[in-house]
Amino acid sequence: IAGITQAPTSQILAAGRRMTLRCTQDMRHNAMYWYRQDLGLGLRLIHYSNTAGTTGKGEVPDGYSVSRANTDDFPLTLASAVPSQTSVYFCASSRTSGSGTDTQYFGPGTRLTVL
Amino acid sequence: GQNIDQPTEMTATEGAIVQINCTYQTSGFNGLFWYQQHAGEAPTFLSYNVLDGLEEKGRFSSFLSRSKGYSYLLLKELQMKDSASYLCAVRDHDYKLSFGAGTTVTVRA
Repeated sequence: IAGITQAPTSQILAAGRRMTLRCTQDMRHNAMYWYRQDLGLGLRLIHYSNTAGTTGKGEVPDGYSVSRANTDDFPLTLASAVPSQTSVYFCASSRTSGSGTDTQYFGPGTRLTVL
Repeated sequence: GQNIDQPTEMTATEGAIVQINCTYQTSGFNGLFWYQQHAGEAPTFLSYNVLDGLEEKGRFSSFLSRSKGYSYLLLKELQMKDSASYLCAVRDHDYKLSFGAGTTVTVRA
């Protein structure tokens, strides 16, 4: 069982370029999330999806977009990358959008550098 | 929104006990989570509290006081492999997780 996979593992990107980070889960989880992790700031929620076909904005959505065409995939797109988007990006999923002990499982992360 | 505070760093000796405190101010509360994150890796789930009291799982225990907006993670019989960051996260009324900045624990021989 792979759990959650992310691609690429790392990427160096020129400012102004478009970039899509891929996330796939094989656990048939309904909810999926994108976070960024920056030193001293912890994990911050960018966008989320409670179920296929729906998405919502998190704490830091500006400059990012997502789609959820099916249960397994949740890509994150940077339309025009800027240096402040340099970060480690984690995708996560949970069985539901947050009931009881339902916990989030995280992918291995994508380290993105925007120059 | 959420305001979640935890110490930045802690150091302890192998075999000892360390307690990581977490205080929070929330616009709603639906549970508190602790995650462990080794350097360069993904966070992994450690514990969940939604009612006041202590939850014990082997060498790790987590405590919650909702009235005080306070939790702690207790790591007993520390091992070198416990060197990691420990993240406190609160699930709010909208069922979203907000994370503290994390506490880096260094275990020394």
